[in-house]
Amino acid sequence: AQSVTQLDSQVPVFEEAPVELRCNYSSSVSVYLFWYVQYPNQGLQLLLKYLSGSTLVKSINGFEAEFNKSQTSFHLRKPSVHISDTAEYFCAVIIMTTDSWGKLQFGAGTQVVVTP
Amino acid sequence: DGGITQSPKYLFRKEGQNVTLSCEQNLNHDAMYWYRQDPGQGLRLIYYSQIVNDFQKGDIAEGYSVSREKKESFPLTVTSAQKNPTAFYLCASSTGFPDSAGYTFGSGTRLTVV
Repeated sequence: AQSVTQLDSQVPVFEEAPVELRCNYSSSVSVYLFWYVQYPNQGLQLLLKYLSGSTLVKSINGFEAEFNKSQTSFHLRKPSVHISDTAEYFCAVIIMTTDSWGKLQFGAGTQVVVTP
Repeated sequence: DGGITQSPKYLFRKEGQNVTLSCEQNLNHDAMYWYRQDPGQGLRLIYYSQIVNDFQKGDIAEGYSVSREKKESFPLTVTSAQKNPTAFYLCASSTGFPDSAGYTFGSGTRLTVV
């Protein structure tokens, strides 16, 4: 069963426009949530994460994500994108069950293409 | 600086050959992982190891093998039994289970069958 669903495989956006990447997870138990970014031919870099506490988490480069438990979502937003934000973004979850050993499960990714 | 080193960055394999991808970390992490990435499919877990001398199959282990003789190293062998090995391979590590810090990734190895 798919644990993490990224609803958009590709999101085209103009420079300085806002962007939202949608992520839903399937779990009724505690989770840790992450967003990773991948630039071409590189590994993944952690963008931000939610563990507990405030449902709004922010990264140093202007991205933010909000944990919504009732909707089981963790959407990523940026109010104004730059050309350099062109990359693939992965939502990931650690589901806290006794038999999951806490492994990270990834969505299929969303390719963001920023054009001038 | 601490991190994960994957080598080589690009690798070409003839059909029927085994090849080994290297992954070394100096982060003192207990757990290490191998993922395969194909376009549009996200990351799929091949093998993982939570401790030295122990490892488990992930979701797509067929045609792959690993070893974990040292904490720092987790090499992946792509055997001739893997029918479609062309892909981008990523190694990762974490402090353990569950790791609230997330995983640290290497820069990947792109394997192409020629």
